[in-house]
Amino acid sequence: GQSLEQPSEVTAVEGAIVQINCTYQTSGFYGLSWYQQHDGGAPTFLSYNALDGLEETGRFSSFLSRSDSYGYLLLQELQMKDSASYFCGRNRCDDKIIFGKGTRLHILP
Amino acid sequence: GAGVSQTPSNKVTEKGKYVELRCDPISGHTALYWYRQSLGQGPEFLIYFQGTGAADDSGLPNDRFFAVRPEGSVSTLKIQRTERGDSAVYLCASSFLDRATTGELFFGEGSRLTVL
Repeated sequence: GQSLEQPSEVTAVEGAIVQINCTYQTSGFYGLSWYQQHDGGAPTFLSYNALDGLEETGRFSSFLSRSDSYGYLLLQELQMKDSASYFCGRNRCDDKIIFGKGTRLHILP
Repeated sequence: GAGVSQTPSNKVTEKGKYVELRCDPISGHTALYWYRQSLGQGPEFLIYFQGTGAADDSGLPNDRFFAVRPEGSVSTLKIQRTERGDSAVYLCASSFLDRATTGELFFGEGSRLTVL
């Protein structure tokens, strides 16, 4: 099974802001990464946090709190093309990267 | 090509047959990962190579699965005596040596395996 927990589905309105949470097991933890995957496509890298705090990349930001074993992906100014699955990934110090089951984001017009 | 290339993109086989899936990583990437993804699930770790050696093969489900990377570039995932439960998309990803600081994997489009 996976060692990360994230909601299975989230629904938001176009133009709004949505937050996708991820909690993880701390064993061997090095950093938290986020990937986007459209139906039938390859996962693509969005963001990575090795240190506590917020990393901003355009409309997407990612946050990490190591003390809480928790992170989130924040998507602003949602567009219809953001409808996809989003995976958090636990980067381990042994270089293995384990992914959560993914959050399917539905965007309503 | 510029990205990770996986062949075949689709493979349909019969139960009990042998299958090989190929991954051509981005030139210069020393780390190569294989994942398996079932519908509605996240990528499930199978094996990780650093150069030619398998640094971690703990995700391979059983001894029917084997992967090689003889020259530190192209990798082949081999599945013997396929079972219907092996049906999934097999994803390959590669990265630079310093993936620990960037966290970025570059994924291929995957090989969809269907076992009848």
